[in-house]
Amino acid sequence: AQSVTQPDIHITVSEGASLELRCNYSYGATPYLFWYVQSPGQGLQLLLKYFSGDTLVQGIKGFEAEFKRSQSSFNLRKPSVHWSDAAEYFCAVGAMLTGGGNKLTFGTGTQLKVEL
Amino acid sequence: EPEVTQTPSHQVTQMGQEVILRCVPISNHLYFYWYRQILGQKVEFLVSFYNNEISEKSEIFDDQFSVERPDGSNFTLKIRSTKLEDSAMYFCASSDQASSGVTQYFGPGTRLLVL
Repeated sequence: AQSVTQPDIHITVSEGASLELRCNYSYGATPYLFWYVQSPGQGLQLLLKYFSGDTLVQGIKGFEAEFKRSQSSFNLRKPSVHWSDAAEYFCAVGAMLTGGGNKLTFGTGTQLKVEL
Repeated sequence: EPEVTQTPSHQVTQMGQEVILRCVPISNHLYFYWYRQILGQKVEFLVSFYNNEISEKSEIFDDQFSVERPDGSNFTLKIRSTKLEDSAMYFCASSDQASSGVTQYFGPGTRLLVL
């Protein structure tokens, strides 16, 4: 069964500083990988996704993530954090379902705090 | 930009009561899902629905839960007899045919509180 580990529960960065959120996954085949962001009281917004091809993927709001098969990692990065990036970030791995669609398994999330 | 909507945003109910959570997926999507997030815990898969039937369900999705697509636009989750431990945020998601429905788009959630 697939699993996702986000080792950092909380991260605090200063506005303008760079950010890296860690994600490690376990999956038997080529994974579909996602990062979602959840602001307080809001739903889950898709930041970016990796299916295949270029291992560096670009997303919305200036985020990017790099897939490293050898390390089973899909870390999220942003070169310069803005105060509005404060939120909870979830990494997820998707497994195809034989009946159609896919099932997402989420990590426990990383709460990002941005200091002004 | 099309989005998934959910109603109500909040629901408070008494233990043992039935609740129905409603979702309107993105209009051309074919795959529909429910997830839940107990406060302070990770988001968990409940069920997926495709071609008018459940394609997979988790261990959480027992006989107290059911899903339905009563018409061409709504997708509902019913909890027949709520328990205290059903208190959670429930998210609906949908995906389209592209890439076999891999990318899921989530609604804002319904926060359910069982007293």
